[in-house]
Amino acid sequence: EAQVTQNPRYLITVTGKKLTVTCSQNMNHEYMSWYRQDPGLGLRQIYYSMNVEVTDKGDVPEGYKVSRKEKRNFPLILESPSPNQTSLYFCASSLNRDRYEKLFFGSGTQLSVL
Amino acid sequence: DAKTTQPNSMESNEEEPVHLPCNHSTISGTDYIHWYRQLPSQGPEYVIHGLTSNVNNRMASLAIAEDRKSSTLILHRATLRDAAVYYCILRDGISNFGNEKLTFGTGTRLTIIP
Repeated sequence: EAQVTQNPRYLITVTGKKLTVTCSQNMNHEYMSWYRQDPGLGLRQIYYSMNVEVTDKGDVPEGYKVSRKEKRNFPLILESPSPNQTSLYFCASSLNRDRYEKLFFGSGTQLSVL
Repeated sequence: DAKTTQPNSMESNEEEPVHLPCNHSTISGTDYIHWYRQLPSQGPEYVIHGLTSNVNNRMASLAIAEDRKSSTLILHRATLRDAAVYYCILRDGISNFGNEKLTFGTGTRLTIIP
């Protein structure tokens, strides 16, 4: 089944403790992206990647890192999490960046930073 | 990316048609109009997309104004399962080389009344 898989589904951590949220897709998609969703603010893009080793900042990249060493994986790294990074995170992918290609989303990761 | 504007919320009776509007007055000639929806506790899912002509699929219809400055997502017969947040976004892909930010905004929360 074609899907975008995020792990973990829920994560509670403390300020400053490095964490990684994984994202994997099995559709051989070139384009992948991370979003955070906060009440009243909608979905905001954190980082995106147009292919292996090609990443760029979205609208809210501060405090996050990403890497794209393999086509299928696009982990989101929080080197030193802070409480303002408590949010619902979604990973998405599409075949490529063509404007008619649709996005596929993961089920989300609810992160709480205490 | 060009911005879209949607009403914050709408209500509709079950089994009635629903028309969800989206304004995108700064749309460029190469932007595709995409609609996604987010059911409670799930990631967004693709609904439909189009460029100039009206589009139909099994989920919905997309009506695009002649000047392309607005579009309307039409659910022909709303059910309780259609209660979700609906997002209208513009994707310009390869025509905007080097920049593939995709901002979803806050969308329209659709409530279906039994």
